[in-house]
Amino acid sequence: DADVTQTPRNRITKTGKRIMLECSQTKGHDRMYWYRQDPGLGLRLIYYSFDVKDINKGEISDGYSVSRQAQAKFSLSLESAIPNQTALYFCATSDPAQQETQYFGPGTRLLVL
Amino acid sequence: QKEVEQNSGPLSVPEGAIASLNCTYSDRGSQSFFWYRQYSGKSPELIMSIYSNGDKEDGRFTAQLNKASQYVSLLIRDSQPSDSATYLCAVIKDSSYKLIFGSGTRLLVRP
Repeated sequence: DADVTQTPRNRITKTGKRIMLECSQTKGHDRMYWYRQDPGLGLRLIYYSFDVKDINKGEISDGYSVSRQAQAKFSLSLESAIPNQTALYFCATSDPAQQETQYFGPGTRLLVL
Repeated sequence: QKEVEQNSGPLSVPEGAIASLNCTYSDRGSQSFFWYRQYSGKSPELIMSIYSNGDKEDGRFTAQLNKASQYVSLLIRDSQPSDSATYLCAVIKDSSYKLIFGSGTRLLVRP
């Protein structure tokens, strides 16, 4: 079984809809991250969480919110989706004991019409 | 100036050649450096990490770090068509524990 899983893997939604992307991990890591990837722009950090009670904004948090339900679960919500949020979204985890090497989930491809 | 810069490529090399991928970073306090490989539509996977000046070798891969020049590179020896992918350079800034990615270099290995 994969250590970091994301659901759904693909999602098509309409402008204005609220959607949630979910991430679960079995690695036992405290630190979790949400990134988006657009062609030619690399990965950009949306939100990150260093433990269940810690939530921090990344470089592009506007239009997104997160919830850290447990050590193993970190969800990303788009409150009112817009077309320029069409992207590939990745969840990742890391462990400070491993020099912050990040382990990525398989990604969610989101299309906002 | 971008915090982590890479040439977008594509870098095209023949099979069996050495591929050299380069990355520069702006924060002199950066301490940890990573190379990730990403196949199209897939998630990034860690290839190499390096934390001190010099070279670090792992199989066909060698990472090189020069903190004075704020430069990190990845050499791939005996390149194979299966090495064709986008290579992402990433840096952890000293105070933030956040990973900052470059936009990636696309590598094409010609059979």
